[in-house]
Amino acid sequence: EPEVTQTPSHQVTQMGQEVILRCVPISNHLYFYWYRQILGQKVEFLVSFYNNEISEKSEIFDDRFSVERPDGSNFTLKIRSTKLEDSAMYFCASSETGGGYGYTFGSGTRLTVV
Amino acid sequence: DAKTTQPPSMDCAEGRAANLPCNHSTISGNEYVYWYRQIHSQGPQYIIHGLKNNETNEMASLIITEDRKSSTLILPHATLRDTAVYYCIVRVAGVGGSQGNLIFGKGTKLSVKP
Repeated sequence: EPEVTQTPSHQVTQMGQEVILRCVPISNHLYFYWYRQILGQKVEFLVSFYNNEISEKSEIFDDRFSVERPDGSNFTLKIRSTKLEDSAMYFCASSETGGGYGYTFGSGTRLTVV
Repeated sequence: DAKTTQPPSMDCAEGRAANLPCNHSTISGNEYVYWYRQIHSQGPQYIIHGLKNNETNEMASLIITEDRKSSTLILPHATLRDTAVYYCIVRVAGVGGSQGNLIFGKGTKLSVKP
């Protein structure tokens, strides 16, 4: 069964540094997403991406965050000037239609900002 | 998007049917009901969705009341691997990234016991 692959599985960074979280969505999917989950809390939407541009973003996705699809397979989330409160599990997801069903999520990257 | 209400936790005996309820009394006519689950700290997993008719797939059945104000997810023969947090999400099934925001609540923590 096709999978969404995320790397690294765990990233530790110092406060103020930049991090890039990487994702390889399912090859025939056209819609891409980032969500995050702070330990013990809800899964929160960050951003959706379609046709090489951001479709929607949440209040969490401030100007320190950016996404990119640098080639035909990777989808990245960059966080600049990281803060302690950015520590969370970050999930990448992709879907074929963007209609709310059939999203496939990756297993996540645990980001720890120290 | 309409809000949903789910019990915080439920238990189910292994091999028995697990019936997970969801209330969505303010659902609009063009909003679908989606179910996802999250096993431990993994990424959420899509289960099933529906508009007004009952739906069944290899994972589960979805029963939506005639007035569409509530629904029940049924796992016909629960196993220990079905222990997870189950999320009921209601949103418009718009196609395209602009409608890609799945709003996760706290869900129901289902514990399947031997």
